[in-house]
Amino acid sequence: KNQVEQSPQSLIILEGKNCTLQCNYTVSPFSNLRWYKQDTGRGPVSLTIMTFSENTKSNGRYTATLDADTKQSSLHITASQLSDSASYICVVSLSSWGKLQFGAGTQVVVTP
Amino acid sequence: GAVVSQHPSWVICKSGTSVKIECRSLDFQATTMFWYRQFPKQSLMLMATSNEGSKATYEQGVEKDKFLINHASLTLSTLTVTSAHPEDSSFYICSARINPPSARYEQYFGPGTRLTVT
Repeated sequence: KNQVEQSPQSLIILEGKNCTLQCNYTVSPFSNLRWYKQDTGRGPVSLTIMTFSENTKSNGRYTATLDADTKQSSLHITASQLSDSASYICVVSLSSWGKLQFGAGTQVVVTP
Repeated sequence: GAVVSQHPSWVICKSGTSVKIECRSLDFQATTMFWYRQFPKQSLMLMATSNEGSKATYEQGVEKDKFLINHASLTLSTLTVTSAHPEDSSFYICSARINPPSARYEQYFGPGTRLTVT
């Protein structure tokens, strides 16, 4: 069983609308949680990194939240743009220099 | 800053041949680089951890004699797929960890290499 579960698997949203992606993890001990954006045929690009003591982190129109007690994180995309169409991957690190556990990703499609 | 490149971006080879993929950190030194494989609509799967000047550490189920990794300098790691077969067709991605360590524990990913074995 994957230790990092993402939902939904995919979603379609209209340009300009907001959306929220979910990530639940069972990885322990936990060091940090990251959200990456991966365009088709490209490598992942970091959006946010949060340690267990951080509750929220923003990067432009992307805002990530973390609840270390319930082991849940979310990524909120505000005022979506066509260029936001990509796979968004939740990644949990066991330690600062440990192995990364990847979620399967949520495929987001933004339509005009 | 913190740019990682891969070469080639895509390659087609015949079954039984070998192909080398390069991963370079362009503007920083990386003691440690990681090699991942990603099949369509799946997560990235770690294949091996590449440490400069020492042998790579392979994940369970990854054949070290088939996937040869060399990390000869602080800015270059190579992955050679030997005697490639069609089932080796995949998207190969490397990442590099900044050295000395950054406070954000960041890994930077390359753009990936699409390997197709015919």
